[in-house]
Amino acid sequence: QVQLVESGGGVVQPGGSLRLSCAASGFSFRSFGMHWVRQAPGKGLEWVATSSYDGGDIYYADSVKGRFSISRDNSKNTLFLDMNSLRPEDTALYFCAREGNCESTTCPFDSWGQGTKVIVSS
Amino acid sequence: DVVMTQTPLSLSVTPGQPASISCQSSQSLLHRDGRTYLYWYLQKPGQSPQLLIYEVSNRFSGVPDRFSGSGSGTDFTLHISRVEVEDVGVYYCMQSIRHRPYTFGQGTRLEIK
Repeated sequence: QVQLVESGGGVVQPGGSLRLSCAASGFSFRSFGMHWVRQAPGKGLEWVATSSYDGGDIYYADSVKGRFSISRDNSKNTLFLDMNSLRPEDTALYFCAREGNCESTTCPFDSWGQGTKVIVSS
Repeated sequence: DVVMTQTPLSLSVTPGQPASISCQSSQSLLHRDGRTYLYWYLQKPGQSPQLLIYEVSNRFSGVPDRFSGSGSGTDFTLHISRVEVEDVGVYYCMQSIRHRPYTFGQGTRLEIK
């Protein structure tokens, strides 16, 4: 079955960097668009970044543009999120999510990982 | 950005009773392709979100038929015909017509009386 496992979270000082990973299994990773979505403690969901199936199309939320970078290694079935210049407001649980295959212009996020926690604090 | 507004933000329901959650978007979610890109997710306590409904009214695989969605344009509703204890959690609507950025509603917390 589809499995997405995030890792790489931790505690980092403001201005620091982290690399998150999302290991995918149970499906043809190279065929699916992938996303990062975050959830600040006690708050709702916020879309962060998108990668098309081949990494050719990439998009970011304004709140992370210029600081975060999404990438993927289809040979290793892994999605990444490089986070630089971290701020306290980046503290959140970070989920990776698969964009399903469908016949529509855009497709829903149909599978999610359990998330990895990032805490930005001095 | 498309702003998604959910009401109510919380509700308490007796098992077996119906429930509904509204979601209003700041722009029409009807795409020129004729589809409407509105989804519903449920985040159960301690879990990641799970897809319930896609394109307003289509139940995702494995979702019980007590869940249904309706609406058009800018106004949408998630209906639960008979709430069960396992339905506890936070429900989110999400739009993807303007998928840069994708936006979610604030969430509606459902608890059992």
